[in-house]
Amino acid sequence: EAGVAQSPRYKIIEKRQSVAFWCNPISGHATLYWYQQILGQGPKLLIQFQNNGVVDDSQLPKDRFSAERLKGVDSTLKIQPAKLEDSAVYLCASSFGTGADQPQHFGDGTRLSIL
Amino acid sequence: SQQGEEDPQALSIQEGENATMNCSYKTSINNLQWYRQNSGRGLVHLILIRSNEREKHSGRLRVTLDTSKKSSSLLITASRAADTASYFCATGTASKLTFGTGTRLQVTL
Repeated sequence: EAGVAQSPRYKIIEKRQSVAFWCNPISGHATLYWYQQILGQGPKLLIQFQNNGVVDDSQLPKDRFSAERLKGVDSTLKIQPAKLEDSAVYLCASSFGTGADQPQHFGDGTRLSIL
Repeated sequence: SQQGEEDPQALSIQEGENATMNCSYKTSINNLQWYRQNSGRGLVHLILIRSNEREKHSGRLRVTLDTSKKSSSLLITASRAADTASYFCATGTASKLTFGTGTRLQVTL
């Protein structure tokens, strides 16, 4: 089966600019996750979707970050405006079910550098 | 916040040796998962152990879970250069999976 697809792989922007990331999960996976992984740390959940509804966005900085999954398949994550501390890898993952006992399948991420 | 904390932070061994990584966590869990991340890549699920299980095996991997001590260990036997990666534990509650800080494993020839 095809894995989780993410684009772009790399992005370099200046602070205060905006950026968007795209994710296409594994076909049939109802749950989609966006994580932020700062260098040397583990992934931190930003938002979790089940189909096109938000399950958990408690750690999403909503003043600058937004995400959508309009048709319950692919998803976009946007940052506007970007800050220096947003430099990180943004990982998308998907799972068949919604519970925390479901293995998550990750894409290779987008590495974001803020100048 | 990161629930799990791996120990050691970094580990260097020779090919053929065993590698043991530990994970400690703070609150009650339903399950614990281990993931591998190669440099520049996404995480790959390795194994899941439920809170009512004490030990689980998958190929060269052996995972133990001690809920009374709130700790888990991952043992990789007969390591290979291809096992070089970061390893993360992730603790699962009813609805949420929280990743730890990771152990960087280097396997040299």
